[in-house]
Amino acid sequence: EAGVTQSPTHLIKTRGQQATLRCSPISGHTSVYWYQQALGLGLQFLLWYDEGEERNRGNFPPRFSGRQFPNYSSELNVNALELEDSALYLCASSQTGMAPQHFGDGTRLSIL
Amino acid sequence: GENVEQHPSTLSVQEGDSAVIKCTYSDSASNYFPWYKQELGKRPQLIIDIRSNVGEKKDQRIAVTLNKTAKHFSLHITETQPEDSAVYFCAASKKGGSEKLVFGKGTKLTVNP
Repeated sequence: EAGVTQSPTHLIKTRGQQATLRCSPISGHTSVYWYQQALGLGLQFLLWYDEGEERNRGNFPPRFSGRQFPNYSSELNVNALELEDSALYLCASSQTGMAPQHFGDGTRLSIL
Repeated sequence: GENVEQHPSTLSVQEGDSAVIKCTYSDSASNYFPWYKQELGKRPQLIIDIRSNVGEKKDQRIAVTLNKTAKHFSLHITETQPEDSAVYFCAASKKGGSEKLVFGKGTKLTVNP
């Protein structure tokens, strides 16, 4: 069974640009979660999608947004990139209403 | 909102010794507590989890204990091996883990051969 897959592996952008990160959940999983892992700050919850709907968002500005597609894959969009957005962005998936969450390898976003 | 504190931030042990990592949480509604292991450059991997209706859970050399009254939970690794070296994260969640995970800041465990 394939795990959670994320693309791209690395993404290099400059300040003010926009970034799109993609996530495919484990087959049969309908919930997708996004986390930011910045150096020294652990994993911080960004967004949670289930059955195509945004269920919850963390304490991040509105320029962090996303969506979930009918096949349950998900996109994270970050607009007006800032230097402090440099981090590893991790996607996790789970069955609806059930733990545990399984993580992908992440997308390393670097802002120059 | 929920806050999870994790200690220590770094832990160095000799191969064969035990390692203990402790976490406290603030929201008494939290009822699901997973532990993840993240090796350098790799994804966080679930190693064990516990729900609030259970006080202790074991899986081979790994055990987790939960004290709901004190709102703390701990990871115990016995007979440590060099391959146990990694960063370990505790987390807490409400509604059985179907909601967001709130993570501690991690413990870097080094097992010296």
